[in-house]
Amino acid sequence: KAGVTQTPRYLIKTRGQQVTLSCSPISGHRSVSWYQQTPGQGLQFLFEYFSETQRNKGNFPGRFSGRQFSNSRSEMNVSTLELGDSALYLCASSFLGDGIQYFGAGTRLSVL
Amino acid sequence: EDQVTQSPEALRLQEGESSSLNCSYTVSGLRGLFWYRQDPGKGPEFLFTLYSAGEEKEKERLKATLTKKESFLHITAPKPEDSATYLCAVQAGETSGSRLTFGEGTQLTVNP
Repeated sequence: KAGVTQTPRYLIKTRGQQVTLSCSPISGHRSVSWYQQTPGQGLQFLFEYFSETQRNKGNFPGRFSGRQFSNSRSEMNVSTLELGDSALYLCASSFLGDGIQYFGAGTRLSVL
Repeated sequence: EDQVTQSPEALRLQEGESSSLNCSYTVSGLRGLFWYRQDPGKGPEFLFTLYSAGEEKEKERLKATLTKKESFLHITAPKPEDSATYLCAVQAGETSGSRLTFGEGTQLTVNP
């Protein structure tokens, strides 16, 4: 069974640009969550999508948004990039949203 | 607000030298406590889920335990391949969905 797949693995952008990250969950999983990981803040919850609806949102500015498609694949968008957005962005999927979440390898975003 | 604190921040062991990692938490309505292992450049890998005080789970050289205020990850006779960052996370509250609140992690190094 394939795991959680995130693309691309690496991205380099400049300040002010926008970026879209993609996540394909484990087959059959309906919940997709996004996390930001930085050396200073650790892993922080961005948002969760379940059956194409945002179910929870963390404390991030509105520049961070996401969506989920009918096949459960999810995308995360960050607009007007800032230097502080440089981080590892991780996607996790679970069957119903409760219990074990399985993480992808992440997308490393560098903002110059 | 849910809080998770892990100690120590870093731990260096000799191969075969057993030790424990600590995760203390303050939450309202614990639904589950999770242990993950993360290798450099990779996403977190699921290890254990604990749901109620007194519960214990084992896997190879690792054993996780849970009390009402903290969890321990015991590592027995570690090997160099156990070197990684170990993350503790909690899922709490009735309306939080899949949201995980993570500690900062313990970076474990096992020397041969």
